[in-house]
Amino acid sequence: EVVLTQSPATLSLSPGERATLSCRASQSISSHLAWYQQKPGQAPRLLIYDASNRATGIPDRFSGSGSRADFTLTISSLEPEDFAVYYCQQRSIWPLTFGGGTKVEIK
Amino acid sequence: QVQLVESGGGVVQPGGSLRLSCATSGFTFSSFGMHWVRQTPGKGLEWVAFIRYDGSTEHYTNSVEGRFTISRDNSKNTLYVQMNSLRHEDTAVYYCAREGPPGSIAAAFDHLGRGALVTVSS
Repeated sequence: EVVLTQSPATLSLSPGERATLSCRASQSISSHLAWYQQKPGQAPRLLIYDASNRATGIPDRFSGSGSRADFTLTISSLEPEDFAVYYCQQRSIWPLTFGGGTKVEIK
Repeated sequence: QVQLVESGGGVVQPGGSLRLSCATSGFTFSSFGMHWVRQTPGKGLEWVAFIRYDGSTEHYTNSVEGRFTISRDNSKNTLYVQMNSLRHEDTAVYYCAREGPPGSIAAAFDHLGRGALVTVSS
């Protein structure tokens, strides 16, 4: 099973600041990684697929990068609606797995 | 627009069974792989099961293998999961999810429903 380790667990930032979230895989998963945003009481929303492609309707302040085992989600300038929990997920090897999440909270 | 609506959640005793349904609309259901994903209250996300667009292939996470069965009825645009021998640790919100977006190399979950709560408790 591919273990995805997200860091940090919590990121305390102010609106307008840049957020950098990390996801590290226990083995190579090529570019088969997705990122999701989840707000309280809501289902996860797809942000990024294939490591770097934005999903439909996702603002360009969200960007993904990385390959093999190291991936990054960057939010260039935090908007108030971006404070949420972010998960990475791999689609390379069964069973599919998620990371433990990074909470982006208001400082 | 794409809609996924789960139903069938509720409270069940340990060892019991439950079947969840996911009614879909707004897309050609028979062309997409589908998944179930769950989330324990206050915790993270866990992928549960996958079924290929034509029902020919299934995959399960280790903890539900042999107890859960994913299925689909393409004539009714509906996804199911039959959950048997339920355990306390199966308590979660269960989301159905469409695999996508079309054209991606490694499809993700591009649409999820609002979820159905399953509580396993005596």
